Amino acid sequence: NAGVTQTPKFQVLKTGQSMTLQCAQDMNHEYMSWYRQDPGMGLRLIHYSVGAGITDQGEVPNGYNVSRSTTEDFPLRLLSAAPSQTSVYFCASSYSTDNYGYTFGSGTRLTVV
Amino acid sequence: GNSVTQMEGPVTLSEEAFLTINCTYTATGYPSLFWYVQYPGEGLQLLLKATKADDKGSNKGFEATYRKETTSFHLEKGSVQVSDSAVYFCALLPRQAGTALIFGKGTTLSVSS
Repeated sequence: NAGVTQTPKFQVLKTGQSMTLQCAQDMNHEYMSWYRQDPGMGLRLIHYSVGAGITDQGEVPNGYNVSRSTTEDFPLRLLSAAPSQTSVYFCASSYSTDNYGYTFGSGTRLTVV
Repeated sequence: GNSVTQMEGPVTLSEEAFLTINCTYTATGYPSLFWYVQYPGEGLQLLLKATKADDKGSNKGFEATYRKETTSFHLEKGSVQVSDSAVYFCALLPRQAGTALIFGKGTTLSVSS
């Protein structure tokens, strides 16, 4: 049981480049979310999904796109990277009930230069 | 709206000292409440949770009680260890369906021997 797998672990991008952060879970969780973690800001919600084909915006969605074509995968796309998107990104998943809490991936550290 | 407020850190304690990290929340209805812990260089792990008023969550010597009257979920431990040094996040999950975890900004705990 791999849990929540995020790839890559580290990435350096140039301003204006695009890329996709991958997130996959093998627990058949309906709910999946993307957060960014910045010093002094805690974790801020970017986008989330409550099931395949359903996504919604969180607190800081600008500059990011998501889709949920399968239950297992929830990729996060940076359309045109900016230095302000330098951050650590975490993906999380959960069953639709809150009894078990959310399981987090190990994170992707992204630097935009 | 929904929000979580945690005490500012860092919190610096000696081994075996008593720990309290304050957490208050604002939410519509009665959310579920969580404490997550992040050890250096790692992702977030669920520490404990409470899903209704007066519930007490506990794990690894940590505990927190869901107080509806004061909208609080303070984290406590009677005797901290050096290995407890980490960042602690309070979070809430709104009661309405189709939402995601909302985090506080985190509190850094440093325990010295």
